[in-house]
Amino acid sequence: AQKVTQAQTEISVVEKEDVTLDCVYETRDTTYYLFWYKQPPSGELVFLIRRNSFDEQNEISGRYSWNFQKSTSSFNFTITASQVVDSAVYFCALNAGGTSYGKLTFGQGTILTVHP
Amino acid sequence: DSGVTQTPKHLITATGQRVTLRCSPRSGDLSVYWYQQSLDQGLQFLIQYYNGEERAKGNILERFSAQQFPDLHSELNLSSLELGDSALYFCASSGGTSGSSRTDTQYFGPGTRLTVL
Repeated sequence: AQKVTQAQTEISVVEKEDVTLDCVYETRDTTYYLFWYKQPPSGELVFLIRRNSFDEQNEISGRYSWNFQKSTSSFNFTITASQVVDSAVYFCALNAGGTSYGKLTFGQGTILTVHP
Repeated sequence: DSGVTQTPKHLITATGQRVTLRCSPRSGDLSVYWYQQSLDQGLQFLIQYYNGEERAKGNILERFSAQQFPDLHSELNLSSLELGDSALYFCASSGGTSGSSRTDTQYFGPGTRLTVL
């Protein structure tokens, strides 16, 4: 079975602070895919990044960066110099193999509030 | 805008009723997925269709059913509604011709908020 844990339920920061959202996953499959989605107050789910299990290279996209560590089964997300517009719920998700096909297993989400 | 459309945006109905949620995937996407987001269960996978055929099933209740039509749009039917069915229902779509879907990124629609009174 697959499982995703986002231990931080809520995080509150002041604008321009850096913030890291933690994600730990469990799967027995050797090939899997990890994702981060953002859910702003408007409610839609916005895709941020996809990473496969064979690519441990960290990625940076503007103020966003992701740290994938297979040894600790973690896929953490850092926002540098946070802004009020970053306030949202962030979900980490896992797509593994077997008969799961396209099933995404989501973590419980982390509510990020950035104060001006 | 993900390119996935869902109607209606909001739906208010009474217990025991039946409703239909509609989803149009992104142009060219063959797979459609349905998810339920509720406060107590979080985001849960319900079902996946690929090119008109059911491909994977999650925690979908027997009172719920779905289908994907030849034009690739999909409908999720919820019947004998209960208070606990109140939730945000998302549709997502992805491309890929193999149907395995593991490698595909799922793009989500804006959701349909269902309220059962």
